[in-house]
Amino acid sequence: GENVEQHPSTLSVQEGDSAVIKCTYSDSASNYFPWYKQELGKRPQLIIDIRSNVGEKKDQRIAVTLNKTAKHFSLHITETQPEDSAVYFCAARSPLDSSYKLIFGSGTRLLVRP
Amino acid sequence: EAQVTQNPRYLITVTGKKLTVTCSQNMNHEYMSWYRQDPGLGLRQIYYSMNVEVTDKGDVPEGYKVSRKEKRNFPLILESPSPNQTSLYFCASSSLTGIENTIYFGEGSWLTVV
Repeated sequence: GENVEQHPSTLSVQEGDSAVIKCTYSDSASNYFPWYKQELGKRPQLIIDIRSNVGEKKDQRIAVTLNKTAKHFSLHITETQPEDSAVYFCAARSPLDSSYKLIFGSGTRLLVRP
Repeated sequence: EAQVTQNPRYLITVTGKKLTVTCSQNMNHEYMSWYRQDPGLGLRQIYYSMNVEVTDKGDVPEGYKVSRKEKRNFPLILESPSPNQTSLYFCASSSLTGIENTIYFGEGSWLTVV
């Protein structure tokens, strides 16, 4: 089955700098890759997603890139702000998995220092 | 407003005392699922349902039951809770039709079994 690895586990950046979180997946059939932001004690909230027919997607300060050949995808946050501090999870889903479940990475704790 | 609602949000219970965590969604989604979140283990799927009266095991189903008698509701049942079921639980739902198949999470239920 699908396996998703996420790096780094923690990331500390200065306010205004960029942050990059990377994930690799194992199932080449996976075609949906969402990113979730989870603040302490709250639910995961979708911040951006990408499908396998697209190589890059951008939404204001957030962008996601997908390299299907290498089976990895990355989240890029530019001009980071203290409110970006949270745990970020990547996930992947394969159409071959009848359970329709998302396989999550282990999470990255991002700290933006003011 | 699109919502996935879970209850209770916080619960402390004793070993062996049956409990039910309710989940309801107002988006007419076919797919509903339960995840548990534990430190260092990320989000893991417990059970899922593709439609009314259709349920199946996820990755960590032991000690749990579910039912899907109505499309909007998907309760999680712990017949005889044990301390290793102390966790943060999330219900999630998604449409299975069209291209909009984002997974929406409920606010989470903190369960402690003593």
